[in-house]
Amino acid sequence: NAGVTQTPKFRVLKTGQSMTLLCAQDMNHEYMYWYRQDPGMGLRLIHYSVGEGTTAKGEVPDGYNVSRLKKQNFLLGLESAAPSQTSVYFCASSKGLAGGYNEQFFGPGTRLTVL
Amino acid sequence: AQSVTQLGSHVSVSEGALVLLRCNYSSSVPPYLFWYVQYPNQGLQLLLKYTSAATLVKGINGFEAEFKKSETSFHLTKPSAHMSDAAEYFCAVTMDTGRRALTFGSGTRLQVQP
Repeated sequence: NAGVTQTPKFRVLKTGQSMTLLCAQDMNHEYMYWYRQDPGMGLRLIHYSVGEGTTAKGEVPDGYNVSRLKKQNFLLGLESAAPSQTSVYFCASSKGLAGGYNEQFFGPGTRLTVL
Repeated sequence: AQSVTQLGSHVSVSEGALVLLRCNYSSSVPPYLFWYVQYPNQGLQLLLKYTSAATLVKGINGFEAEFKKSETSFHLTKPSAHMSDAAEYFCAVTMDTGRRALTFGSGTRLQVQP
């Protein structure tokens, strides 16, 4: 049981390049999230998904796209990377059961640098 | 809207001393509150959570936090700091039962001096 995994762990891009970050969970969770972490700002929600085939915008969605074609995977895409997207990206998942709060489980993060 | 304020971006204590990390929240409805810890180059680990049961919440590694509605606070404490407690700590809140996403504070880096 690996929990939440993220690929790659590190990446350096040039401005204008594109890439996709992959998040996978093996806990059969319904909800999945992408956050970015920047110094002094905590984590901010980029996009989230409440089930296979669904996605929605979070607080800072501009410049990113996501897809949830399979329940266990949540992809984050950068079509044209910008230096402002240099950050550490975390994926998380939760059961999404009705009533009360379901704990979010976090992946180890992807450190992205855009030159 | 929900928000969290963590007072003090850096806190330094001596080993064996009391740890107090401050968190205040803003909420229009009763919130769920959390403390997460992040060790260097790692993901986030849940320390403890408040979900409207007991106001004093005990977590892992000897940490605890008390929910005080009148003060809109959820401060994290540990009676005696250990070197292994050095990490960054994040307070988070959610009230949004639809998407259940978390709103995080800016974090407090705890340094433990020998």
